[in-house]
Amino acid sequence: RKEVEQDPGPFNVPEGATVAFNCTYSNSASQSFFWYRQDCRKEPKLLMSVYSSGNEDGRFTAQLNRASQYISLLIRDSKLSDSATYLCVVTLPDNAGNMLTFGGGTRLMVKP
Amino acid sequence: DTGVSQNPRHKITKRGQNVTFRCDPISEHNRLYWYRQTLGQGPEFLTYFQNEAQLEKSRLLSDRFSAERPKGSFSTLEIQRTEQGDSAMYLCASSLDAWGSLNLNTEAFFGQGTRLTVV
Repeated sequence: RKEVEQDPGPFNVPEGATVAFNCTYSNSASQSFFWYRQDCRKEPKLLMSVYSSGNEDGRFTAQLNRASQYISLLIRDSKLSDSATYLCVVTLPDNAGNMLTFGGGTRLMVKP
Repeated sequence: DTGVSQNPRHKITKRGQNVTFRCDPISEHNRLYWYRQTLGQGPEFLTYFQNEAQLEKSRLLSDRFSAERPKGSFSTLEIQRTEQGDSAMYLCASSLDAWGSLNLNTEAFFGQGTRLTVV
């Protein structure tokens, strides 16, 4: 079983739609959680951190459920520019601290 | 440009040759990661450094792969006797982490990657 799992998609949605992605992680000792965005043939970039209480940044809302070991990302009022791959990232404890581990990514395509 | 820099951006090599990639992290960042990414997959962890110490190495990494960060600044990743299966994007990332801390906002910044094609 992979340490961080995501539905690869693609999710095809019209502009203005609301879309949600989930991500599950296997290690209950995981400490920090993030969503990264990766455009085609570009490097990943941090979209937002995920806090235990849930957090919102404009049209984006991230939530963490430690009991069920999943993270979610909700995008409201989708824009064409939201089309990208969304990577769930978990820091796993290791001997020295926290190691970043990526899921396989969920591809989103927003269409006119 | 004060971001993470990787060189070369592209590398085409013949099977069996050795290749070396370089990563220059953001200057004050003490942690440096190497990842490999193939089409349609997420970045796969290879190894990482805390300053000059290599702390973790993926079990998936064969003995043909070696990484160094001799002075705790730039890092090199060498692949010996390349195989066609090594063709991928090799990504470097850096972050500022305190040793053993629960740093809950550890943003890693990525370079643009080195795309390796083994023919």
